[in-house]
Amino acid sequence: QSALTQPASVSGSPGQSITISCTGTSSDLGAYNYVSWYQQHPGKAPKALIYDVSKRPSGVSNRFSGSKSGNTASLTISGLQAEDEADYYCSSYTSSSTLVFGGGTKLTVL
Amino acid sequence: EVQLLESGGGLVQPGGSLRLSCAASGFTFSSYAMSWVRQAPGKGLEWVSGISGSGGNTYYADSVKGRFTISGDNSKNTLYLQMNSLRAEDTALYYCAKDRYVVIPAAIDYWGQGTLVTVSS
Repeated sequence: QSALTQPASVSGSPGQSITISCTGTSSDLGAYNYVSWYQQHPGKAPKALIYDVSKRPSGVSNRFSGSKSGNTASLTISGLQAEDEADYYCSSYTSSSTLVFGGGTKLTVL
Repeated sequence: EVQLLESGGGLVQPGGSLRLSCAASGFTFSSYAMSWVRQAPGKGLEWVSGISGSGGNTYYADSVKGRFTISGDNSKNTLYLQMNSLRAEDTALYYCAKDRYVVIPAAIDYWGQGTLVTVSS
């Protein structure tokens, strides 16, 4: 099972919006709406931001939103803040009954 | 409050074995699928294995199939990962993770802090 494809890095200025893409195949991301996004700060465990493509867990800021079109999912962060600087990972359930992650995207807040 | 506390990591020689444990609390352990996810130093997340809430269904990444075995003890609210025939490339921080769903590992909602496994001679 190959990893989902994410850009290695993205950047934005405080207050701006950025979007991170996550591309899979018709056997994973394109076949199911079990797409999740996670935020990981250095030295910390990941934190769930989005599940089922666009749902936010309780307590997660509404500045984070998710969407999907075909084999590509996207995470949008609006009103960028310094604390958003972190690594972001997408994941998808697969037709092999496994979970696959993206390679991760490092977000830099300029 | 959901808590996941991993233990059992350490230094092991190539070809050796190790058993990881994850003590869970704050939720009904048998009602959710659980997973092990690893992260090699400086690298991304890699899903390793999952198990349904009942324990009747287990799932593995191709990279560990035949070498690792996941299991759970619902009476002890504890998840395990038996790792055999360890290789240098298995060196990573291993996270225990709770899923939102019962049967399949589809959406992790809580993560432990991880236990470090180092495979080296």
